[in-house]
Amino acid sequence: NAGVTQTPKFQVLKTGQSMTLQCAQDMNHEYMSWYRQDPGMGLRLIHYSVGAGITDQGEVPNGYNVSRSTTEDFPLRLLSAAPSQTSVYFCASSYSRESLRSTDTQYFGPGTRLTVL
Amino acid sequence: KNQVEQSPQSLIILEGKNCTLQCNYTVSPFSNLRWYKQDTGRGPVSLTIMTFSENTKSNGRYTATLDADTKQSSLHITASQLSDSASYICVVSGGGYQKVTFGTGTKLQVIP
Repeated sequence: NAGVTQTPKFQVLKTGQSMTLQCAQDMNHEYMSWYRQDPGMGLRLIHYSVGAGITDQGEVPNGYNVSRSTTEDFPLRLLSAAPSQTSVYFCASSYSRESLRSTDTQYFGPGTRLTVL
Repeated sequence: KNQVEQSPQSLIILEGKNCTLQCNYTVSPFSNLRWYKQDTGRGPVSLTIMTFSENTKSNGRYTATLDADTKQSSLHITASQLSDSASYICVVSGGGYQKVTFGTGTKLQVIP
């Protein structure tokens, strides 16, 4: 198993550009989520999905879109990048759709470091 | 407001020594508490997951405790190794449907 993979590892964008951060897992997990990690702050939940075709907003969803057409993939789209979106982005997955309330282990990807100029 | 506070912010210890990291939270209602280890430039890796009814859980040299009454948790690392150098993050689930609150982490450096 490759676990949770993310691409790219690094990305530099100009303000106003759009891009998609890719996330895939090969563990047949129902729950997938996106977080951002900023210096001096804890990780914050952007969007999550409890299964194919089902997505919902987390704590900081503005400026981001997600979709979940397959169990394996959960891409994060930046519609019009802003300097405030400079951050490290982590994708995570876990077995059940109730994973946050259960004792399922959450597996994180290696992260994408994004800089918006 | 759901909050998770960790202390200390950073810590330097000698290899072979023990240390204890603290986590206080105000999340309610409480679902579970997790400790993660995050190496520099990597994603967090799960160490322990504790529910309301659990007081202690171990994972090798890592032992987590939970006092749900005082809303405090600790992570004790025994006989530290250089590879323990990392950030340790406390995460509490609860306070609403699909809500999760991350602490800012304790950065541990183990020196020879």
